[in-house]
Amino acid sequence: AQSVAQPEDQVNVAEGNPLTVKCTYSVSGNPYLFWYVQYPNRGLQFLLKYITGDNLVKGSYGFEAEFNKSQTSFHLKKPSALVSDSALYFCAVREVRDYKLSFGAGTTVTVRA
Amino acid sequence: NAGVTQTPKFRILKIGQSMTLQCAQDMNHNYMYWYRQDPGMGLKLIYYSVGAGITDKGEVPNGYNVSRSTTEDFPLRLELAAPSQTSVYFCASRLTSGAYEQYFGPGTRLTVT
Repeated sequence: AQSVAQPEDQVNVAEGNPLTVKCTYSVSGNPYLFWYVQYPNRGLQFLLKYITGDNLVKGSYGFEAEFNKSQTSFHLKKPSALVSDSALYFCAVREVRDYKLSFGAGTTVTVRA
Repeated sequence: NAGVTQTPKFRILKIGQSMTLQCAQDMNHNYMYWYRQDPGMGLKLIYYSVGAGITDKGEVPNGYNVSRSTTEDFPLRLELAAPSQTSVYFCASRLTSGAYEQYFGPGTRLTVT
């Protein structure tokens, strides 16, 4: 079985400040980990993924995420948030041999000007 | 490439009516998925397919059916609509086995009254 937890329903930050969105996961084997972003009335857009190797993964729009195996976490980060980063963010996990992704409940990010 | 397309964008059904949600992709992806998104619940997998002629149930398949006669198309059928099926439905696809991300369609917002 696999599952994802996003402990914060909402994250609020001021523009220019660092942004962190938390994610922890549970899988029985090795994980593939993903972050997606959803803007209002749109589908999900892929941001970045962890497969193997370097624990720090860089993705689209200046986002990065750090894989921590001992803490089973994959937190999303951006050094300097923009108002346009306001959206709903989903973390997802898939066990390497599985077909299916499991999604977290999502975290709403609001960046105030 | 159009990517993943879904029709219709919006639909209102009466209880007991039937309808088919259409999904098509032009990326020659083998794997296709149907999700429903309810507020605060993340995405739940309804059905998935790993290739033409092959489908399998996800977490919440009751009340739905799918078929996959071609690589490109993966329609979702609701036979007897119920208010509990009011949701936003997303179709997604990915290339094949391996660490590939899923690409999502724009969604269909369905209301059953």
